[in-house]
Amino acid sequence: GENVEQHPSTLSVQEGDSAVIKCTYSDSASNYFPWYKQELGKGPQLIIDIRSNVGEKKDQRIAVTLNKTAKHFSLHITETQPEDSAVYFCAASTRNNDMRFGAGTRLTVKP
Amino acid sequence: NAGVTQTPKFQVLKTGQSMTLQCAQDMNHEYMSWYRQDPGMGLRLIHYSVGAGITDQGEVPNGYNVSRSTTEDFPLRLLSAAPSQTSVYFCASSPGTGGQYFGPGTRLTVT
Repeated sequence: GENVEQHPSTLSVQEGDSAVIKCTYSDSASNYFPWYKQELGKGPQLIIDIRSNVGEKKDQRIAVTLNKTAKHFSLHITETQPEDSAVYFCAASTRNNDMRFGAGTRLTVKP
Repeated sequence: NAGVTQTPKFQVLKTGQSMTLQCAQDMNHEYMSWYRQDPGMGLRLIHYSVGAGITDQGEVPNGYNVSRSTTEDFPLRLLSAAPSQTSVYFCASSPGTGGQYFGPGTRLTVT
C-alpha cells in the first residue's frame, strides 16, 4: 500500500520568514495530494490540494509543488504569521477515500 | 450546515467493554471515513464507505465495525475495547472530488 513520509517533524521559523514542509510517497498510482492544518483540540482542516496533472498550485501565502517523477510534494508558506502555528499533515491517495497521511510537522512561528 | 459532527467528545472505557462512536454529516457527501490519530503517527484509516450500504476496510480495521444505513450517518463500533485502542478518533466526509471534511474528534481512553 501507499507509504507517505513527511519531514521535518518540527519546524520553527521567525515571523515573516518562509516555511517548507516536504513529503514523499511510494505508490506511483497516487493522484491526489492534499495538505491539512490541525490546531490544538480540533480536527484537521484542508488548506490546499493538488492533483497529479498539475505541477504547482498557489493560494495567497501558501503553495504546493508536485514532482511526480521523484514522487515528492512540498508545502510552502510565505510571510509566516503566528496564527500559522499548528500541525500540518500531507496525504496521498489513488482514490479519495483511501488516503494515507504523513506523520505531521509541528510548525511554530515566533513573533 | 453543522458539517461533520461526532459524539461523544470524550469517553473512558474499561477493557472488554463495547461502545459506538457516532458520526453524522449534513452535506450529502457520499464518502465517509473513520481515522484514528496517535502521537507521531499521523492519521490512520480504519474503515470507509463510498455510499449507503457499502463499507470497506482501511489500514487498521481490526477490532472495529462499521455500517452505513443512511447517507448521513456512519457509526464506528468497538466490539471489545482494548488499551491499544486508546486514541483520538476522527470521522470525515467528502463529496468524492476533493478533500475531506473532518469532525472535531472523540478522545477515547481504555483502561
